[in-house]
Amino acid sequence: LAKTTQPISMDSYEGQEVNITCSHNNIATNDYITWYQQFPSQGPRFIIQGYKTKVTNEVASLFIPADRKSSTLSLPRVSLSDTAVYYCLVGDFSGSARQLTFGSGTQLTVLP
Amino acid sequence: AAGVIQSPRHLIKEKRETATLKCYPIPRHDTVYWYQQGPGQDPQFLISFYEKMQSDKGSIPDRFSAQQFSDYHSELNMSSLELGDSALYFCASSSTITSEQYFGPGTRLTVT
Repeated sequence: LAKTTQPISMDSYEGQEVNITCSHNNIATNDYITWYQQFPSQGPRFIIQGYKTKVTNEVASLFIPADRKSSTLSLPRVSLSDTAVYYCLVGDFSGSARQLTFGSGTQLTVLP
Repeated sequence: AAGVIQSPRHLIKEKRETATLKCYPIPRHDTVYWYQQGPGQDPQFLISFYEKMQSDKGSIPDRFSAQQFSDYHSELNMSSLELGDSALYFCASSSTITSEQYFGPGTRLTVT
């Protein structure tokens, strides 16, 4: 599994756009990039997944450059309720071994 | 929509006792995963089952065992409990159609 590196923490203000970048230099050809969100004492929640270029859903956008060695999760107009830990995970999630390997996530704190 | 159900939500045990955690996956999900999250730690994969067969094993101690039953619910059995077993235990489920994992609310185990 490719190792990921992301900032330990980030602060933002309500209404701002937040971009969290994840480095995954050893990403394999079959690997996908997935982001999960976790609130304290709750189970992680799937946010978005992508393979290349840009993916957008109702919650976030995921930008992946051509070399796929990094990715950026973009949260538009964050609110206080977006304060959580965000995990970047890389793996061949389409395979039979689809367990998630969580590294150190990014603690996002949204300030009023 | 139906979510992953875990029981009990809280459990207090003494050292050397046993504990059984239960997980009821989302209907029609065929894969169940167990994760352990210690205080201030990131979730760690323990074990997974696909169609009632163990599919992958992570950092699960030999004192722990798990199985998936014919109705797809799963149980995590923990024996000779140690203080270090105190953690949140999450169950997640997924289907073969999508790799997205849906996490339950977790069981908080406290070993005294």
